[in-house]
Amino acid sequence: GIQVEQSPPDLILQEGANSTLRCNFSDSVNNLQWFHQNPWGQLINLFYIPSGTKQNGRLSATTVATERYSLLYISSSQTTDSGVYFCAVDNPTSGTYKYIFGTGTRLKVLA
Amino acid sequence: NAGVTQTPKFRILKIGQSMTLQCTQDMNHNYMYWYRQDPGMGLKLIYYSVGAGITDKGEVPNGYNVSRSTTEDFPLRLELAAPSQTSVYFCASSTRPGAKETQYFGPGTRLLVL
Repeated sequence: GIQVEQSPPDLILQEGANSTLRCNFSDSVNNLQWFHQNPWGQLINLFYIPSGTKQNGRLSATTVATERYSLLYISSSQTTDSGVYFCAVDNPTSGTYKYIFGTGTRLKVLA
Repeated sequence: NAGVTQTPKFRILKIGQSMTLQCTQDMNHNYMYWYRQDPGMGLKLIYYSVGAGITDKGEVPNGYNVSRSTTEDFPLRLELAAPSQTSVYFCASSTRPGAKETQYFGPGTRLLVL
């Protein structure tokens, strides 16, 4: 099945710094989403982005489907950005809407 | 509008016991999902449903059963609980997938099987 790898696995930033999180996938995808899991375990959808670029405030994401990767940019990080960031993909082989999650990037933002 | 609600929040089971994890959404979403998250890992799809009466297996369905008799409810049944089922279980729902698909997650149920 499709493999999803995220990097880096862990990231520590000072408040105000910028960061780029990467998601590589091993096959073509139909759908791709980015999620944030806060330190209390709540999961929030950030972007639905199977291709192209989207921005939402300090966050933006770019997916280059032909090269099988997606990037999540966090600018001017805040302590509330701490948590784990997951990307999830699906494709015709795994089954449409049968999302496969990466193992995540654990981000800690220091005040 | 409560979104996606799950009960219970935490449960301890003995090996071999059974239980049902409840999930309800009030957003009239067609699609609903059950995931499990083991410590330090991403989520794995157990079952999903595209509408009332229609369910399908995900990546890790063994040991679980689901039903979808209404749009709102999507219970997950554990039969003969095993220590390997110790995990955090998340229910999610989404609008009909498309250009603006967004999955909304419940707060999770933490299950410990001893």
